[in-house]
Amino acid sequence: DTGVSQDPRHKITKRGQNVTFRCDPISEHNRLYWYRQTLGQGPEFLTYFQNEAQLEKSRLLSDRFSAERPKGSFSTLEIQRTEQGDSAMYLCASADGGGSTDTQYFGPGTRLTVL
Amino acid sequence: AQSVTQLGSHVSVSEGALVLLRCNYSSSVPPYLFWYVQYPNQGLQLLLKYTTGATLVKGINGFEAEFKKSETSFHLTKPSAHMSDAAEYFCAVSPSGGYQKVTFGTGTKLQVIP
Repeated sequence: DTGVSQDPRHKITKRGQNVTFRCDPISEHNRLYWYRQTLGQGPEFLTYFQNEAQLEKSRLLSDRFSAERPKGSFSTLEIQRTEQGDSAMYLCASADGGGSTDTQYFGPGTRLTVL
Repeated sequence: AQSVTQLGSHVSVSEGALVLLRCNYSSSVPPYLFWYVQYPNQGLQLLLKYTTGATLVKGINGFEAEFKKSETSFHLTKPSAHMSDAAEYFCAVSPSGGYQKVTFGTGTKLQVIP
């Protein structure tokens, strides 16, 4: 069990560019979550997958944001036409989904800076 | 609906002193409660969790928390602070059972003074 991994760890981009982040969950975890964390705040829920199905999206997830989990394993989060307000840490978490507590295990995050 | 309030965005303690980080929650259903720790530029690590049963929960690194339903609290404690405890701590709540959307507090930064 290697834990949740995220790539890249850091991304610097110019306003208006598109960026894509990848999350690899703990193997056999069927639930996957994306959160956004801005400076001085706790993580805020963005979206949730059960296997390949995206079951919930936050209002924070504007139409410039899209997330996929095509084969129920890794997931990608794409931000189109980035804005300076998108600068944040993007966290991915996975959970077993089969247990009674569904504890979420977090990856190290991808820090996005939009210039 | 659920929410978490962490009292004190910054807490300073001397090395060896008691650590007390406060968390109050609001939940319309029986909650699951969590404490996570975050070191700079890293993800969150689970310290401990309360689901059901014993209200005093022991976690990693000597931390523990007590679920008090009457006070809607889940404060985090450690008898003796260590320099390595300096980090940001997040309390979180989710509804019990099924899919669990976790709601986090705004965090408390713990400073340990040598």
